[in-house]
Amino acid sequence: DGGITQSPKYLFRKEGQNVTLSCEQNLNHDAMYWYRQDPGQGLRLIYYSQIVNDFQKGDIAEGYSVSREKKESFPLTVTSAQKNPTAFYLCASSIDGPGAHRTQHFGDGTRLSIL
Amino acid sequence: GQSLEQPSEVTAVEGAIVQINCTYQTSGFYGLSWYQQHDGGAPTFLSYNALDGLEETGRFSSFLSRSDSYGYLLLQELQMKDSASYFCAVRDRGDDKIIFGKGTRLHILP
Repeated sequence: DGGITQSPKYLFRKEGQNVTLSCEQNLNHDAMYWYRQDPGQGLRLIYYSQIVNDFQKGDIAEGYSVSREKKESFPLTVTSAQKNPTAFYLCASSIDGPGAHRTQHFGDGTRLSIL
Repeated sequence: GQSLEQPSEVTAVEGAIVQINCTYQTSGFYGLSWYQQHDGGAPTFLSYNALDGLEETGRFSSFLSRSDSYGYLLLQELQMKDSASYFCAVRDRGDDKIIFGKGTRLHILP
């Protein structure tokens, strides 16, 4: 079955440490996204990528970095510059193209906490 | 700027009908989507309106009026399992970003 796999499900970060969240999809989707969700809040866009080797900053990109070396993979690194990283991180993918019926498929998320 | 407004919480009774509204401000967008998210889970796609009017998918319907910058999700024959958060989202035509509302928490009473 096609889908999006995020790992790990839970992650703990120490002060000054960079951590990387994995996101892999086998839906053959061109576009991939990373969102952050805080308790009782909506989804805020961190980064998105519409094609391999290209990505754009979302609304809250500071303290995060991404790469898109393969169509299937869009890892997110939470750097030590992100002072408040505790949140639920969601990866999504979608088909692309103007006028296409656009839906996003989400992974099950990664919960990141500070030790 | 771009923004979507939804009520933070709505309460309804099992078996009843509930409407969740979404108003938006954006210079242009491709369509309005709705997602459901249960506690601790990932959002799942419910419905999409590319054009004005009503889209029906089983117990769920969604409506869009571009002239009024307004849409809503209608849930009929409410079941306890419908207790969740519901998000509206648009894809901005200018920068292609998908923008989510802050979500509406639906509480269902027996």
